[in-house]
Amino acid sequence: AQSVTQLDSQVPVFEEAPVELRCNYSSSVSVYLFWYVQYPNQGLQLLLKYLSGSTLVKGINGFEAEFNKSQTSFHLRKPSVHISDTAEYFCAVTRTIAGGTSYGKLTFGQGTILTVHP
Amino acid sequence: GAGVSQSPRYKVTKRGQDVALRCDPISGHVSLYWYRQALGQGPEFLTYFNYEAQQDKSGLPNDRFSAERPEGSISTLTIQRTEQRDSAMYRCASSLEFRSRSSGANVLTFGAGSRLTVL
Repeated sequence: AQSVTQLDSQVPVFEEAPVELRCNYSSSVSVYLFWYVQYPNQGLQLLLKYLSGSTLVKGINGFEAEFNKSQTSFHLRKPSVHISDTAEYFCAVTRTIAGGTSYGKLTFGQGTILTVHP
Repeated sequence: GAGVSQSPRYKVTKRGQDVALRCDPISGHVSLYWYRQALGQGPEFLTYFNYEAQQDKSGLPNDRFSAERPEGSISTLTIQRTEQRDSAMYRCASSLEFRSRSSGANVLTFGAGSRLTVL
């Protein structure tokens, strides 16, 4: 089984400041990793995913994340945040299966609420 | 449709009543997933379908919960004899296929959810 821990439940930050949202996972098998964002009254939207290859993954809206296998982490970063980035962010994992594919049975973290202040 | 559509968006019911939540996935998407999200928590997997076949229902909490997708498109999640602990956001997601060798992982598109409140 997999588990995901998002180390911060709330992260306040000022506009144009950098931000890092932390995610650690636990798994006995290889996994794929994801970050989703949830804006108020909307569905979850995929920000980025790590499948294989380069450990630095770039996503939408200027976000990026780095996969660190030794530390079992997948922290999300943005060098300069905007008011519009205020939302809840979820880290998620799914195990790989034979052939490097997977299906969408995701294990999510508890979420981090990012609040950007002017 | 253009996105995953869920209805109703909000449902308030009394304890003991049955509720049915509907999900209309993106047209052509093979796989459909149901998740439940309690307040302050991340979504938890309930069940999923490939076409009309229910492939995994390990996340359904008890036998009061059931789901179907009879024609491989629209799905209904039914909760019988609702209890207050069933109050949550119920999210549906769909994906083009259950595995994608080109990308290595399918990508889920989520609906806005159905918020269930049991009084």
